[in-house]
Amino acid sequence: AQSVTQPDIHITVSEGASLELRCNYSYGATPYLFWYVQSPGQGLQLLLKYFSGDTLVQGIKGFEAEFKRSQSSFNLRKPSVHWSDAAEYFCAVGAKGTYKYIFGTGTRLKVLA
Amino acid sequence: NAGVMQNPRHLVRRRGQEARLRCSPMKGHSHVYWYRQLPEEGLKFMVYLQKENIIDESGMPKERFSAEFPKEGPSILRIQQVVRGDSAAYFCASSERQGGMNTEAFFGQGTRLTVV
Repeated sequence: AQSVTQPDIHITVSEGASLELRCNYSYGATPYLFWYVQSPGQGLQLLLKYFSGDTLVQGIKGFEAEFKRSQSSFNLRKPSVHWSDAAEYFCAVGAKGTYKYIFGTGTRLKVLA
Repeated sequence: NAGVMQNPRHLVRRRGQEARLRCSPMKGHSHVYWYRQLPEEGLKFMVYLQKENIIDESGMPKERFSAEFPKEGPSILRIQQVVRGDSAAYFCASSERQGGMNTEAFFGQGTRLTVV
């Protein structure tokens, strides 16, 4: 079955600390992987995406993610978190030519001053 | 260039009423997707439309739900005879062409439907 798992529902970090949000997927085809961020009352904004090539992907706002095929993971990282990063983060998987993305349940990030 | 616009942002309906959710895609986008996010769950695909065509409605509940994207005007997601279980956030996304390789879908802010 196709699925995306974000095992951490809530994460709290201090401002300036490093961050890693976990994402594991189960998908039959070669996956296209995405991370979206949703600030309160806002829509989803694409942070980064992986289609092929270099497995370390750079995104906006200083985020990066690493695709590890052997672990079926696509974890999101940021070396130093800012208070404005507090939001909900969604991992999603799709495939070439598909418009049906499968989303994880999200990780809500809280940042302590 | 305005983003994907959804309205209303919040909608309260009594059981048995109809809910109409509107989505205006980004300028130049002719592909619209609707997703539903139930409480504590991820977004689930509902339907994919192009102008005047439903391309894929495999994620739509079989009854009470319908969607359209007319030649003029916004896309409409319609829920008839709403029940409490329809309470959710409904997100619309649009793209220039079919989502897939190198095509980003842009999401609206969502409509939060509450059925009382």
